[in-house]
Amino acid sequence: DQQVKQNSPSLSVQEGRISILNCDYTNSMFDYFLWYKKYPAEGPTFLISISSIKDKNEDGRFTVFLNKSAKHLSLHIVPSQPGDSAVYFCAAKSYNTDKLIFGTGTRLQVFP
Amino acid sequence: EAGVAQSPRYKIIEKRQSVAFWCNPISGHATLYWYQQILGQGPKLLIQFQNNGVVDDSQLPKDRFSAERLKGVDSTLKIQPAKLEDSAVYLCASSGLTYEQYFGPGTRLTVT
Repeated sequence: DQQVKQNSPSLSVQEGRISILNCDYTNSMFDYFLWYKKYPAEGPTFLISISSIKDKNEDGRFTVFLNKSAKHLSLHIVPSQPGDSAVYFCAAKSYNTDKLIFGTGTRLQVFP
Repeated sequence: EAGVAQSPRYKIIEKRQSVAFWCNPISGHATLYWYQQILGQGPKLLIQFQNNGVVDDSQLPKDRFSAERLKGVDSTLKIQPAKLEDSAVYLCASSGLTYEQYFGPGTRLTVT
């Protein structure tokens, strides 16, 4: 049972444009969501997070949007840079645990 | 601030052999996690420690996997005997007072 889904395995975006990565979840007990970025041969790096009491969180070029009614969140990167090329994982936790449930990841490629 | 340290970075063993991985979390982080990441999937939690006590080991295959965190700091994950399907990256993460988990570089295990 895949509670966190990233349905796009890959995304290709031109440098300077917006990258939008999507994530859907099924568990209504999730109360906190995180995005991680992973380069090859490295561990995932925390990027940005959002609590279920908010619908938007922004940090520089990165913005996460949460739509609780649709059980959907998205990560916007504006403007996209070649250094953003990596695999992005969406993760979620339930209110009663610290355990993170990860999606399968989306590979983002930003080309010049 | 030093990040999460893991060793070894790579390990190749034959099936039925044993292997151990070591993790040193970020200083002051009480919670330590071990994840298994199979190629093409997101990380999956194996075990979570709070100080030196186990919080969640529901996903740990206890017939062959074991983990300990004796002094509430560093931790060891062991597999004995290894199977072909144990080939994966083993990630250690730690967290402090927030929900964000910080990952080490991982150990890539290949079982032949």
